Amino acid sequence: SAVISQKPSRDICQRGTSLTIQCQVDSQVTMMFWYRQQPGQSLTLIATANQGSEATYESGFVIDKFPISRPNLTFSTLTVSNMSPEDSSIYLCSVAGLLDTQYFGPGTRLTVL
Amino acid sequence: AQSVSQHNHHVILSEAASLELGCNYSYGGTVNLFWYVQYPGQHLQLLLKYFSGDPLVKGIKGFEAEFIKSKFSFNLRKPSVQWSDTAEYFCAVNAQGGTSYGKLTFGQGTILTVHP
Repeated sequence: SAVISQKPSRDICQRGTSLTIQCQVDSQVTMMFWYRQQPGQSLTLIATANQGSEATYESGFVIDKFPISRPNLTFSTLTVSNMSPEDSSIYLCSVAGLLDTQYFGPGTRLTVL
Repeated sequence: AQSVSQHNHHVILSEAASLELGCNYSYGGTVNLFWYVQYPGQHLQLLLKYFSGDPLVKGIKGFEAEFIKSKFSFNLRKPSVQWSDTAEYFCAVNAQGGTSYGKLTFGQGTILTVHP
């Protein structure tokens, strides 16, 4: 399985600001995913990020709010823009390994005041 | 669109008790099925997975799950739980092919508390 790291591990931000979360993988992967886990809730897919193409967003998520970059096969960033308290969540990246199994990073715990 | 339903939000057991966590999914095509576990303070880890073949799959730490296609179910079981099994358990599904390919849909999660 891939080893995935995320930065920052947690942050406290003021409303109206933006935060960029980094996801680094120790091997080259084609498909990377970004999820959100709101307090007390399950994980929800935000978008799929494939290298060399635009990210594909799920219903309810838009590029202006959650821009994603995927510059190479081992790295991706997710930006949470113009934050509000409702954006307080854990944000996780994952990668698709063999036979579509996904492996998850440790997550970034975001608190918006 | 696919959906996943976990029947229990919070399960409380004593050590050595048997465990079964229910999971049902809704999807018209062929799916891959997963159970993930999140121990307190740790990140999400894969417990076991089913792609094809024997519907009874075994995972780490003595867990197993049975895929019953006719019931759209993938229940997680363990014959004797330990205090260290205290965690939140997530059932998840992704589609084999099609426009939903690769996208994991998660259930609501079940918090398991095991008392020593």
